[in-house]
Amino acid sequence: EAGVAQSPRYKIIEKRQSVAFWCNPISGHATLYWYQQILGQGPKLLIQFQNNGVVDDSQLPKDRFSAERLKGVDSTLKIQPAKLEDSAVYLCASSLALQGQGLYEQYFGPGTRLTVT
Amino acid sequence: KQEVTQIPAALSVPEGENLVLNCSFTDSAIYNLQWFRQDPGKGLTSLLLIQSSQREQTSGRLNASLDKSSGRSTLYIAASQPGDSATYLCAVWVYGQNFVFGPGTRLSVLP
Repeated sequence: EAGVAQSPRYKIIEKRQSVAFWCNPISGHATLYWYQQILGQGPKLLIQFQNNGVVDDSQLPKDRFSAERLKGVDSTLKIQPAKLEDSAVYLCASSLALQGQGLYEQYFGPGTRLTVT
Repeated sequence: KQEVTQIPAALSVPEGENLVLNCSFTDSAIYNLQWFRQDPGKGLTSLLLIQSSQREQTSGRLNASLDKSSGRSTLYIAASQPGDSATYLCAVWVYGQNFVFGPGTRLSVLP
């Protein structure tokens, strides 16, 4: 079974530029999560989707971050414009269903390391 | 608001030792608790998932316990090996909230 795929693996941009990350979850997984992990900290949930609908985006900085999952499969996370404090690893994860609806484990992709200079 | 802490922040042990990693959480109304492993430059790998009604889970040399009333979980690693070197994170799922991670414990097992 293929795991969660993410691209690119690394990205370096200047502040005020825009960037996009792509995630393809495990086949059949209805729920998709985007996390931000700053160096030395645990991941922080940014947004979670159930199929193509947003379940929770309360921690997503909506003035600069956006995410979509149009066909309920792969997803894109965008930052525009980027700030220095956005430097982090962006992790995508998927699970069969929302953990609140069942005891489904999350499976993580390798992440995208973003450096904003 | 749920807060998750992990002690120690870093740990270095000789190969073969048994060790315990600690995770504490402030809100006992959790749905489940999960332990992950993170290798440098890689994503997270799930190790053990403990449901709120359970007290422990075991997988190979790993044993995780959960005490909801005291807001604690421990991850026990038996007979540690250099390949166990990684960062270990715990995370809790709270009703009506997000999946909240601790900052992790960075483990080094020396040959």
